[in-house]
Amino acid sequence: GENVEQHPSTLSVQEGDSAVIKCTYSDSASNYFPWYKQELGKRPQLIIDIRSNVGEKKDQRIAVTLNKTAKHFSLHITETQPEDSAVYFCAASNLDAGKSTFGDGTTLTVKP
Amino acid sequence: EAQVTQNPRYLITVTGKKLTVTCSQNMNHEYMSWYRQDPGLGLRQIYYSMNVEVTDKGDVPEGYKVSRKEKRNFPLILESPSPNQTSLYFCASSSYGQAWSQNTEAFFGQGTRLTVV
Repeated sequence: GENVEQHPSTLSVQEGDSAVIKCTYSDSASNYFPWYKQELGKRPQLIIDIRSNVGEKKDQRIAVTLNKTAKHFSLHITETQPEDSAVYFCAASNLDAGKSTFGDGTTLTVKP
Repeated sequence: EAQVTQNPRYLITVTGKKLTVTCSQNMNHEYMSWYRQDPGLGLRQIYYSMNVEVTDKGDVPEGYKVSRKEKRNFPLILESPSPNQTSLYFCASSSYGQAWSQNTEAFFGQGTRLTVV
């Protein structure tokens, strides 16, 4: 089955700095890679996603890159703000089969 | 308002007493899924359903059952709960029943915190 590894498990940055979270996956059949943000006590919410036929996607301060050959994808957050503090999860999914595997999460703390 | 609704939000039960956690979505999504979330382990998929009457095992299906008799509902059944099923459970739905569908955002329910004693 699919195995997703996410690093780092915790990340602390100063407000205004950039944050990068990396994930690797094992199953070449995975073709959809979403990122979720989960604030304390809340449900996960999608912040950005990318499909396997795209190498990069950007939405304001958030970007995701995908390297299919190396089987890794990364979340980039620029100009971080205290409200970006949360747990971030990556996932690798197979849209054709329906299975979805999440990383273990990264706790991001943005210090004002 | 588009939403996924889980009930109950909190449940404390005893070992072996059958229980059902309900999940309902109002977005006409084909795909629904159940996850459990434990500290340090992220979200692990229990079961998923690509459409009505179609269900498949995720990574941790042991001790759980599901059914998908109608599109909007996807209940999670614990026939004989045990303490190791104490966890936070999330239901999610999305429209990626078809490969390369344009809209694949997964909407999560508010979560059900289950304690089995």
